[in-house]
Amino acid sequence: AQSVTQLGSHVSVSEGALVLLRCNYSSSVPPYLFWYVQYPNQGLQLLLKYTTGATLVKGINGFEAEFKKSETSFHLTKPSAHMSDAAEYFCAVSDRNNQGGKLIFGQGTELSVKP
Amino acid sequence: DSGVTQTPKHLITATGQRVTLRCSPRSGDLSVYWYQQSLDQGLQFLIQYYNGEERAKGNILERFSAQQFPDLHSELNLSSLELGDSALYFCASSVSQGNSPLHFGNGTRLTVT
Repeated sequence: AQSVTQLGSHVSVSEGALVLLRCNYSSSVPPYLFWYVQYPNQGLQLLLKYTTGATLVKGINGFEAEFKKSETSFHLTKPSAHMSDAAEYFCAVSDRNNQGGKLIFGQGTELSVKP
Repeated sequence: DSGVTQTPKHLITATGQRVTLRCSPRSGDLSVYWYQQSLDQGLQFLIQYYNGEERAKGNILERFSAQQFPDLHSELNLSSLELGDSALYFCASSVSQGNSPLHFGNGTRLTVT
């Protein structure tokens, strides 16, 4: 069965610092990979996704993620944090062989940004 | 705005009761997904419908049921409610199956007292 592990339930960075949120997946076949962001009292919003092709994926708000098959990882980065980036971030996978499309989510990482 | 509408936003009810949560997907989306978000379990997939038919089932309790109607809106029915059912329930929709991204509503916060 597929699973997703996000290392660190809480990450704190200073404004302007690098943001690195870690995600590792477990799957017999490389899945489709997603990062979502959740702001307080809101639903989840898609940041970016990897399905095929270039392994470095650029998303909204300056975020990007790199798919590394050898490491079964899909870490999310942003070169310079902004106060508005404070939110909860979820990594998710979807089974490439199952056309159902449901997502399996990690436990989430809460990002705090200090002034 | 994701285009997915969930009602009500908040629901407070007592143990043993039954509630219905409603979801209208984005225009044109055929798939509807239900998720439960709680502090201890995180985001758990409950069930998926595609064009009116159940397509995938996750960690959904027998006390819970769902359906998707011909106009593609969906309802999640929760019965014999327990304190532990208190959570945020999200509906999401997508164009089709496969690698289409999911678009989430703002959720229904259920509090069981």
